[in-house]
Amino acid sequence: DGGITQSPKYLFRKEGQNVTLSCEQNLNHDAMYWYRQDPGQGLRLIYYSQIVNDFQKGDIAEGYSVSREKKESFPLTVTSAQKNPTAFYLCASSPRNRGITGELFFGEGSRLTVL
Amino acid sequence: GENVEQHPSTLSVQEGDSAVIKCTYSDSASNYFPWYKQELGKRPQLIIDIRSNVGEKKDQRIAVTLNKTAKHFSLHITETQPEDSAVYFCAASPFSGAGSYQLTFGKGTKLSVIP
Repeated sequence: DGGITQSPKYLFRKEGQNVTLSCEQNLNHDAMYWYRQDPGQGLRLIYYSQIVNDFQKGDIAEGYSVSREKKESFPLTVTSAQKNPTAFYLCASSPRNRGITGELFFGEGSRLTVL
Repeated sequence: GENVEQHPSTLSVQEGDSAVIKCTYSDSASNYFPWYKQELGKRPQLIIDIRSNVGEKKDQRIAVTLNKTAKHFSLHITETQPEDSAVYFCAASPFSGAGSYQLTFGKGTKLSVIP
């Protein structure tokens, strides 16, 4: 069954702790993305990666880090430097069509709550 | 960077009526405009998109129009049904030249279709 798998679905963290959210895709997509969704705020881009071992900051990268060691995997670490980490996090991937990425395929999301 | 404004934030319509959601963008270089639907508790999914070389695109009951001069685009849903109830997001992006789009999303419109 092809798709994007995010884990965990729910996560609780104490202040000052780092936490890593997993994102795995078996769609053979080149590009992967992390978005943050807050009520009434839409989706805001945290980081994205076009190819393995390369990634770029999005609009709200501060306090987050990523890695792209494998094409299938794009984990997101929410560090203690992120001032307001409680949010719903969505991972997405995108195929290339004639060299251009387009439609985003989203995972089911991970809800992080900082206690 | 790009800024996307979306209106209205909430919209209620009677079943069978039409619904219109409007978005404006700021970056004249943007040339890709997708719309995503997110049902309650589910992941966003692409429902229709348009590129700047066309002014209108239709797919059954949904259509998108684009006015490049005014920098606005709209989603039209005709003959609304209860299953159209969801949050709709517009987005815009210029083509980066590296083979990808980095979408900037609007804040979303919660559409409620009243039976």
